[in-house]
Amino acid sequence: ETGVTQSPTHLIKTRGQQVTLRCSSQSGHNTVSWYQQALGQGPQFIFQYYREEENGRGNFPPRFSGLQFPNYSSELNVNALELDDSALYLCAPSGRGGGGDGDEQFFGPGTRLTVL
Amino acid sequence: RKEVEQDPGPFNVPEGATVAFNCTYSNSASQSFFWYRQDCRKEPKLLMSVYSSGNEDGRFTAQLNRASQYISLLIRDSKLSDSATYLCVVTQYNQGGKLIFGQGTELSVKP
Repeated sequence: ETGVTQSPTHLIKTRGQQVTLRCSSQSGHNTVSWYQQALGQGPQFIFQYYREEENGRGNFPPRFSGLQFPNYSSELNVNALELDDSALYLCAPSGRGGGGDGDEQFFGPGTRLTVL
Repeated sequence: RKEVEQDPGPFNVPEGATVAFNCTYSNSASQSFFWYRQDCRKEPKLLMSVYSSGNEDGRFTAQLNRASQYISLLIRDSKLSDSATYLCVVTQYNQGGKLIFGQGTELSVKP
């Protein structure tokens, strides 16, 4: 058990809408990374938050934004949804007191977003 | 060119077969290397880290060749339960642990 939860598990939205995905982890995970995994592809890094500040970003537009809270939960927000945003969204908390040794990361179960 | 490239799949093998997956990475500054396993509609799970000296975990052997920028995973005596997608993953120095994934190779082990 990784102690990481994500909500909701599944979500259906229409183009142009906004969505908020949530990730919760046990205490000590001061870093959280978010990934997008389209069907048939490997996960792609969206961004990382460390101590509530963005700490690195992948090749994703500004309509993808995030928040990290003092209680170690985090959110991924996506505005103006597009059909290509349909994917599995994964969070990976890590940091002192959590995660693995070295660069190993453990993922939450993911949120499957479908945009119609 | 993709940063991490894997053999295209799917691989369909009979139970008991030995199967090898190959992966190449483009950035010589890559620091850490992993194989993850992903079952259908589930999150990726760490299978094993890959060390320069090569490492083995039961039926699984991983090897790294830094000079060729090449990683491999060998599965011996395949089981039905090995059916999954195998993802090659690297990290780069000073990138905050960002994981860079290959597209994955699907393995199907048949009775």
